[in-house]
Amino acid sequence: GENVEQHPSTLSVQEGDSAVIKCTYSDSASNYFPWYKQELGKRPQLIIDIRSNVGEKKDQRIAVTLNKTAKHFSLHITETQPEDSAVYFCAASRGGNQFYFGTGTSLTVIP
Amino acid sequence: NAGVTQTPKFRILKIGQSMTLQCTQDMNHNYMYWYRQDPGMGLKLIYYSVGAGITDKGEVPNGYNVSRSTTEDFPLRLELAAPSQTSVYFCASSYAQGTYGYTFGSGTRLTVV
Repeated sequence: GENVEQHPSTLSVQEGDSAVIKCTYSDSASNYFPWYKQELGKRPQLIIDIRSNVGEKKDQRIAVTLNKTAKHFSLHITETQPEDSAVYFCAASRGGNQFYFGTGTSLTVIP
Repeated sequence: NAGVTQTPKFRILKIGQSMTLQCTQDMNHNYMYWYRQDPGMGLKLIYYSVGAGITDKGEVPNGYNVSRSTTEDFPLRLELAAPSQTSVYFCASSYAQGTYGYTFGSGTRLTVV
């Protein structure tokens, strides 16, 4: 099955700096890549997603890029704020019922 | 519109006990899922359902059972609880399979002692 690796596992940035989280996947048939944000003690929430026919997608301060050839996709957060502090999960799906999740990145934004 | 509702939020079970985690959604989603989340790990799929009356195993189904008698409800049953089942359990639903994101419930933190 699919294997999704996520790096780094922890990330600390100064407020206002950018943060980048990278995921690699193994199944070249995967075609949908969502990102979830999970604040402490809360449910994961979808923040952005990208499909394989698109190379980049932006939503205000967050963006996701996809490199199908290298089989990796990244989450970019610009102008980070303390409320961006959370655990971020990437996932990959080939269109079936199984999503494969990365192990999470704990992001801390230092005021 | 409550989204996905899970109960209970917390539970402590003794080894060998049984319990049912409840999940209900009011978005008329056909697709529902149960995941477990262990510390430092990603979410692992336990069971899923593509519609009422249809369920199937995910990656880690052993020790669990599900049923889907209605579109709204997807309970997860633990029989003979074991310490290895200590985890946070999330129910989720989606509009379609594969290329749409999930809506997650708020989670159930289960401890087996």
